[in-house]
Amino acid sequence: NAGVTQTPKFQVLKTGQSMTLQCAQDMNHEYMSWYRQDPGMGLRLIHYSVGAGITDQGEVPNGYNVSRSTTEDFPLRLLSAAPSQTSVYFCASSYETSGNNEQFFGPGTRLTVL
Amino acid sequence: DAKTTQPPSMDCAEGRAANLPCNHSTISGNEYVYWYRQIHSQGPQYIIHGLKNNETNEMASLIITEDRKSSTLILPHATLRDTAVYYCIVRRFNDYKLSFGAGTTVTVRA
Repeated sequence: NAGVTQTPKFQVLKTGQSMTLQCAQDMNHEYMSWYRQDPGMGLRLIHYSVGAGITDQGEVPNGYNVSRSTTEDFPLRLLSAAPSQTSVYFCASSYETSGNNEQFFGPGTRLTVL
Repeated sequence: DAKTTQPPSMDCAEGRAANLPCNHSTISGNEYVYWYRQIHSQGPQYIIHGLKNNETNEMASLIITEDRKSSTLILPHATLRDTAVYYCIVRRFNDYKLSFGAGTTVTVRA
């Protein structure tokens, strides 16, 4: 299994540009989520999905859109990039069994908005 | 979810046990205690979780006090590769979401 994969690893955008961060998992996990991590801080939840066709907002959803058309993929779209969105973005997935919620995280995408 | 409090940093000697405390005094009966760690900007890694009993796996042990208001993560023989930020998280049984605080930065020294 590849686990959770994210592309690209690094990205530089200009203010106002749009882009999509890709996330895929091959573990047949129902739950997927996106976090952002600013320097020196913990992770903050952006959006999450409990299954294909179902998404919901997390703590910091503004400026981001998500969709979940398949179990495997959960892309994150930046509609109009702003310098405040400079951050490291992590995707995670999990399969809930008997109260266990071990989440598997991807390697992250490092985004800089100029 | 209940809030957690962790010391911002701690040092540990290589080969010794590292004991990481976490306070979660407002924890509810249906909330689990989870520990994750993040090694130098990598994605967080699950370590262990528990409800009220002590737990042990190949990575660590989790000791939860009887009143469940605090817990301790124990790394039995710390190595340099255990240098990381360790996050204590309280999560409801039926809630997938994880709420990360600032964590404890653990530095293992040779």
